[in-house]
Amino acid sequence: GAVVSQHPSWVICKSGTSVKIECRSLDFQATTMFWYRQFPKQSLMLMATSNEGSKATYEQGVEKDKFLINHASLTLSTLTVTSAHPEDSSFYICSARVVGGAEAFFGQGTRLTVV
Amino acid sequence: GQQLNQSPQSMFIQEGEDVSMNCTSSSIFNTWLWYKQDPGEGPVLLIALYKAGELTSNGRLTAQFGITRKDSFLNISASIPSDVGIYFCARGPGGTSYGKLTFGQGTILTVHP
Repeated sequence: GAVVSQHPSWVICKSGTSVKIECRSLDFQATTMFWYRQFPKQSLMLMATSNEGSKATYEQGVEKDKFLINHASLTLSTLTVTSAHPEDSSFYICSARVVGGAEAFFGQGTRLTVV
Repeated sequence: GQQLNQSPQSMFIQEGEDVSMNCTSSSIFNTWLWYKQDPGEGPVLLIALYKAGELTSNGRLTAQFGITRKDSFLNISASIPSDVGIYFCARGPGGTSYGKLTFGQGTILTVHP
């Protein structure tokens, strides 16, 4: 149980275009999902908290207009990187919180490369 | 923000050896979580700790929540090649922020056959 699936696993896009990444909880409902970014050989840094049916909460220093988050259902959150630039190239990982617990189960990540 | 100090940063060991890594913080936390991340994958939860002093095992892995609630360690006994990866400690503040995790810097483990 508690499977979180991300799509796509990797994507290459041209500078200036937008990319959408999906995060789905496959066998449970998640009122809250989290988006992280991980640069090579570094730790995971929380970008934003995605709440079903309401606006996302962004961490300090994360541009909300650049990283659009939509959590339209209890099993799906999407992260759209708008007007992507090479410096946005990173490993983006989502997680979904099990209701009533501390555990957060992670997706497999999405490798974004902006050329 | 609240920082987690994880050490060591990397370890190179022989197969069969035991491994120990730890995390410390200046703040008190309600939960400690240990994750393993394989290259190109998301982190996978290994052990979750909820009580000060709690000692929990998961196969060859053992983790403890420090009595002061400011530290935790993870031990791996009789290491095998598939233990290779990056191990992260993470803290959860509890309450409505469950799942909003802060991660340590990670420990890169290399196991030589």
